[in-house]
Amino acid sequence: DIQMTQSPSSVSASVGDRVTITCRASQGISNWLGWYQQKPGKAPKLLIYVASNLQSGVPSRFSGSGSGTDFTLTISSLQPEDFATYYCQQAYSLPRTFGQGTKVEVK
Amino acid sequence: EVQLLESGGGLVQPGGSLRLSCAASGFIFSTYAMSWVRQAPGKGLEWVSVISGSGDNTYYADSVKGRFTISTDISKNTVYLQMNSLRAEDTAVYYCAKDIYGSGSYLDYWGQGTLVTVSS
Repeated sequence: DIQMTQSPSSVSASVGDRVTITCRASQGISNWLGWYQQKPGKAPKLLIYVASNLQSGVPSRFSGSGSGTDFTLTISSLQPEDFATYYCQQAYSLPRTFGQGTKVEVK
Repeated sequence: EVQLLESGGGLVQPGGSLRLSCAASGFIFSTYAMSWVRQAPGKGLEWVSVISGSGDNTYYADSVKGRFTISTDISKNTVYLQMNSLRAEDTAVYYCAKDIYGSGSYLDYWGQGTLVTVSS
């Protein structure tokens, strides 16, 4: 199985900050990488697919990049509604696997 | 509007069985793969199983293989997860989710989740 490792596990930030989250795959996955946002008590929400494609309705302050084994999710200017936990997920092979999550907290 | 509504969760004893259902609407059900993803209390997301839109192809995480069975009823636009030989570590919120494509890749719509608690 492909292991997905996110860093950091948590980040403290303020509104307006630029936030970057990293996801590393245990083997090359081309650009088969998605990012999800989850708020407490809610289902996850797809933000990015195929590494850099913005899902419909997702604000343009979210962006994704990377290929192979190393990927990043960037929030260009953090908004109050962005405090949440973020997960990467590989879609290269079965079983699908998620990273352990990165919690974006209020500084 | 795409909607996914799970049901069937509850409290079950170790070794018991439970069947989860997920009723879908707002899209052509037979065109898209459907997945189950679970989240143990306070933990991260764990992908559990996927079934193709036609229902012909299925795949399972090693942690549930041989105990869980995913299936669909296209006439009812419903996907099921039959869970047998349940263990304490199966305790989680179970989400059904629709694939953005037909192949089981990215999950663009999710249900609200149903809680399964395995305890004596």
